[in-house]
Amino acid sequence: DGGITQSPKYLFRKEGQNVTLSCEQNLNHDAMYWYRQDPGQGLRLIYYSQIVNDFQKGDIAEGYSVSREKKESFPLTVTSAQKNPTAFYLCASSLGGLAGGSTDTQYFGPGTRLTVL
Amino acid sequence: GESVGLHLPTLSVQEGDNSIINCAYSNSASDYFIWYKQESGKGPQFIIDIRSNMDKRQGQRVTVLLNKTVKHLSLQIAATQPGDSAVYFCAESYGQNFVFGPGTRLSVLP
Repeated sequence: DGGITQSPKYLFRKEGQNVTLSCEQNLNHDAMYWYRQDPGQGLRLIYYSQIVNDFQKGDIAEGYSVSREKKESFPLTVTSAQKNPTAFYLCASSLGGLAGGSTDTQYFGPGTRLTVL
Repeated sequence: GESVGLHLPTLSVQEGDNSIINCAYSNSASDYFIWYKQESGKGPQFIIDIRSNMDKRQGQRVTVLLNKTVKHLSLQIAATQPGDSAVYFCAESYGQNFVFGPGTRLSVLP
């Protein structure tokens, strides 16, 4: 059963804590992405990775960090430096990679809802 | 449920009627477009895509129309069903960039 999984579905964080959101895919996709979704707004890109051991900042990378040690996994850490972390976080992947073009459809995971207490 | 979709424009249609959801995109250089469906509390689901060298593409019960002259994209859903209730948003792509619209909430009335 191929697809993208995210865990946990709901996550609660206290002020000053770092938390890590998991994203795994078994689609053999090279490219992976993290987006943040807020009410009434389009998805905003946090970080993306076109290939293992490489990642790039997106539009709103401040307060977040990622790693890409394995092709299948692209975890996102929300650090205490992120001032307004409460949001719905979506991970996506595409066939992509460095040779990928604009016709690579992005497929999304089910999302993680992060709430700061 | 999720608060995604709060304050979005809403389209209400009667069950069985056709729905038309519109999207204005921003970049005339965009060459690939996707429509996604997002149900409450879930990730976006791919519906249909279209490249800029086409102006119409049909899927099962869905049709996407592209008007590059006015940078407009529409999604038509035939015989709308209760299961079609969701937020629908478009995405445009140019180069390695994807830009997502905020979406429209489709509400299907019995």
